[in-house]
Amino acid sequence: DVKVTQSSRYLVKRTGEKVFLECVQDMDHENMFWYRQDPGLGLRLIYFSYDVKMKEKGDIPEGYSVSREKKERFSLILESASTNQTSMYLCASSLSSNQPQHFGDGTRLSIL
Amino acid sequence: GENVEQHPSTLSVQEGDSAVIKCTYSDSASNYFPWYKQELGKRPQLIIDIRSNVGEKKDQRIAVTLNKTAKHFSLHITETQPEDSAVYFCAARAGGSYIPTFGRGTSLIVHP
Repeated sequence: DVKVTQSSRYLVKRTGEKVFLECVQDMDHENMFWYRQDPGLGLRLIYFSYDVKMKEKGDIPEGYSVSREKKERFSLILESASTNQTSMYLCASSLSSNQPQHFGDGTRLSIL
Repeated sequence: GENVEQHPSTLSVQEGDSAVIKCTYSDSASNYFPWYKQELGKRPQLIIDIRSNVGEKKDQRIAVTLNKTAKHFSLHITETQPEDSAVYFCAARAGGSYIPTFGRGTSLIVHP
């Protein structure tokens, strides 16, 4: 069974801090994704990657960056955290674009 | 790009009733339509998916129908049970795209 692991379930940071969210998948999937989930807004794509060192902006990339140095790991970076980035962050991976996504448990991030 | 509308946003039913959630999409080249269930505090998980060469797919109490002409697809849950209570997300992947576009989700509440 596919396992997508996010490094933290809960995280509290201060405004202006640089924040790293890590995601690792164990099934050699090509595609990896970062979403944020807010009530009533569903899943909004921040960034995705279709190969090592390749990345594409999603719908809401402002204030975020990503890194994919190895196939199994996809990191989300908040360059200078702000309170409006308080949210649930979900990582996902898929074998190909025509296959289902497998999600991690999520990181609930609070920016104070 | 692709646009996915999902209705209703909330659905309340009695145990044993059927539930139907509908999604419409905009890109006629979309060819992959997954449905995810997210229980409270848990990760979204695929429950069923359908591809554009098929009109209907069933898995026990769950079925999905696809109408390519009208560009809509629906999730049908029969004989609902309290454990079906969750948020359900539809998604559509446009042809040639790496990423699916999600609907905003439907909160299904099944009353015992």
